[in-house]
Amino acid sequence: GQNIDQPTEMTATEGAIVQINCTYQTSGFNGLFWYQQHAGEAPTFLSYNVLDGLEEKGRFSSFLSRSKGYSYLLLKELQMKDSASYLCAVRTTDSWGKLQFGAGTQVVVTP
Amino acid sequence: DTGVSQNPRHKITKRGQNVTFRCDPISEHNRLYWYRQTLGQGPEFLTYFQNEAQLEKSRLLSDRFSAERPKGSFSTLEIQRTEQGDSAMYLCASSLSLGASGNTIYFGEGSWLTVV
Repeated sequence: GQNIDQPTEMTATEGAIVQINCTYQTSGFNGLFWYQQHAGEAPTFLSYNVLDGLEEKGRFSSFLSRSKGYSYLLLKELQMKDSASYLCAVRTTDSWGKLQFGAGTQVVVTP
Repeated sequence: DTGVSQNPRHKITKRGQNVTFRCDPISEHNRLYWYRQTLGQGPEFLTYFQNEAQLEKSRLLSDRFSAERPKGSFSTLEIQRTEQGDSAMYLCASSLSLGASGNTIYFGEGSWLTVV
């Protein structure tokens, strides 16, 4: 199986930057995903990385280092609506259909 | 694009009863997934279909659980003889299977099950 670790909770101020780290141990790595989930709602796709480097999409960026088994999601110019759980998920080559999720990082944005 | 639709959104049932959830994926999506999520945890994979074929089932999916996608469109997830440990949110998701589009998996809002 895969071990996927991410911090349980992070707090940041409106307008600031927060970096959510995710580490994973897996064989046959085939992509890392980040999802946002507001309480009681569906997870919403944010980003996908399969090659090393940084992917930027508006205020959100995601970074991957396959050799280190490490990714981060960077949220810039935080807004109150960014308060949510952020889920890191890994796909492996033995299953194109399955994502293995971490437990999620609850981000709390304060005024 | 109406998104992934699930119903019922909430179900309370007595232990030992059977329940069935329905999922309608995004219309052109040929892959459909079922996950289960409990409070404070990430979603856990249960099973997935490509068209009408069930390609993978998790070991979590005991023989009390069965999923179907008879015509390659909507899917049902049935839980027989429910137990209190089955209380969770059951999430359905869908995607295309080809190229970069297959990396974007869209989730429905989930069906909450409470077994009392």
